[in-house]
Amino acid sequence: EPEVTQTPSHQVTQMGQEVILRCVPISNHLYFYWYRQILGQKVEFLVSFYNNEISEKSEIFDDQFSVERPDGSNFTLKIRSTKLEDSAMYFCASSESRQNTGELFFGEGSRLTVL
Amino acid sequence: AQSVTQLDSHVSVSEGTPVLLRCNYSSSYSPSLFWYVQHPNKGLQLLLKYTSAATLVKGINGFEAEFKKSETSFHLTKPSAHMSDAAEYFCVVSEENTGFQKLVFGTGTRLLVSP
Repeated sequence: EPEVTQTPSHQVTQMGQEVILRCVPISNHLYFYWYRQILGQKVEFLVSFYNNEISEKSEIFDDQFSVERPDGSNFTLKIRSTKLEDSAMYFCASSESRQNTGELFFGEGSRLTVL
Repeated sequence: AQSVTQLDSHVSVSEGTPVLLRCNYSSSYSPSLFWYVQHPNKGLQLLLKYTSAATLVKGINGFEAEFKKSETSFHLTKPSAHMSDAAEYFCVVSEENTGFQKLVFGTGTRLLVSP
């Protein structure tokens, strides 16, 4: 069964360092997303991406964040200069269609710990 | 803005007994509603979805949910709990269908199943 894969599963970094979280979406999917969950809080939408550009982003997704699809398979989330409050589980998701069906396929998450 | 409220942070049941996980939503438009499940160290998996078709929705693993507009509820039920049902369950609403799939998550309900 096709699945979304994320690497690394866990990353520890120092405050101020750059971090890149990687995702391989399901191969025939066209829409890509990042969500995050700070420990003990809700899963929150960060950004959606289609046709090589951001289609929607939340207020959390400030200039410190960027996304990229550098090749035909990877979808990355970069945090330029990490802050303590960026510590969270980051989920990548993909979907085949833009229809409002909620059929997003999520990866297992990348846990980011900022010290 | 749309939102969901999961009324219980934890629900404990015995194996073989019914499961009820409660969710109320708030929406200015016709919502799409979903239940996602997250098993330990796994990604988020779609259990079932309501997208303005039948109000009683059947999902995977014997779960079902009923959309009740008059009560603004979308409670998740299962007649008989299994040990493998122990997980975190998220009630989710999609934003207005004016763009891509932006999901708004509830805070989650942890289901504990005892032998």
